[in-house]
Amino acid sequence: DTAVSQTPKYLVTQMGNDKSIKCEQNLGHDTMYWYKQDSKKFLKIMFSYNNKELIINETVPNRFSPKSPDKAHLNLHINSLELGDSAVYFCASSQERSDYEQYFGPGTRLTVT
Amino acid sequence: RKEVEQDPGPFNVPEGATVAFNCTYSNSASQSFFWYRQDCRKEPKLLMSVYSSGNEDGRFTAQLNRASQYISLLIRDSKLSDSATYLCVVNWWSSNTGKLIFGQGTTLQVKP
Repeated sequence: DTAVSQTPKYLVTQMGNDKSIKCEQNLGHDTMYWYKQDSKKFLKIMFSYNNKELIINETVPNRFSPKSPDKAHLNLHINSLELGDSAVYFCASSQERSDYEQYFGPGTRLTVT
Repeated sequence: RKEVEQDPGPFNVPEGATVAFNCTYSNSASQSFFWYRQDCRKEPKLLMSVYSSGNEDGRFTAQLNRASQYISLLIRDSKLSDSATYLCVVNWWSSNTGKLIFGQGTTLQVKP
């Protein structure tokens, strides 16, 4: 009964490829997020959706495109992968607002070679 | 200056010790504050919210000093299972939208 799930858990790919990460939450939450955790362990917000509407779009290269087909799903597509994209990507969800408890998925460890 | 600053540690303490972590934040308009815990190669999980009056949850006590823009976490009677990274988190409002800003985290290793 995973609350926030992500697939795949690990992703190894070559520079220049395009890849997608999927996220689903079964908590009935309105708001979903994508975070990136780099090698120095900083966790930074990338995007946030509320009821399928994009509400946060941080300074992220436009190679990254989120898509929310419904409020339970938030996917992340990355074009033309670069070495610097290697990181752990976490999906999260919360009830309504960012200062409610956020529930994180297990993370997707992306390695670009 | 980083938006949320923490000493990364590691803090190595024996079981039973009391340990304190500190954190400073740069945005004086921040309204909500949290400590999250992240185990090695796992996702972050909420440990506790931090209130102006200070709050306690078992062996854990969180304090907030708005004037100094400073947040602390005290862990009493450390257990081996407390070994993890503790993330100081501040909610930052802009244009009616909030987002969580995470510190780098402080690593705690509790030794037998």
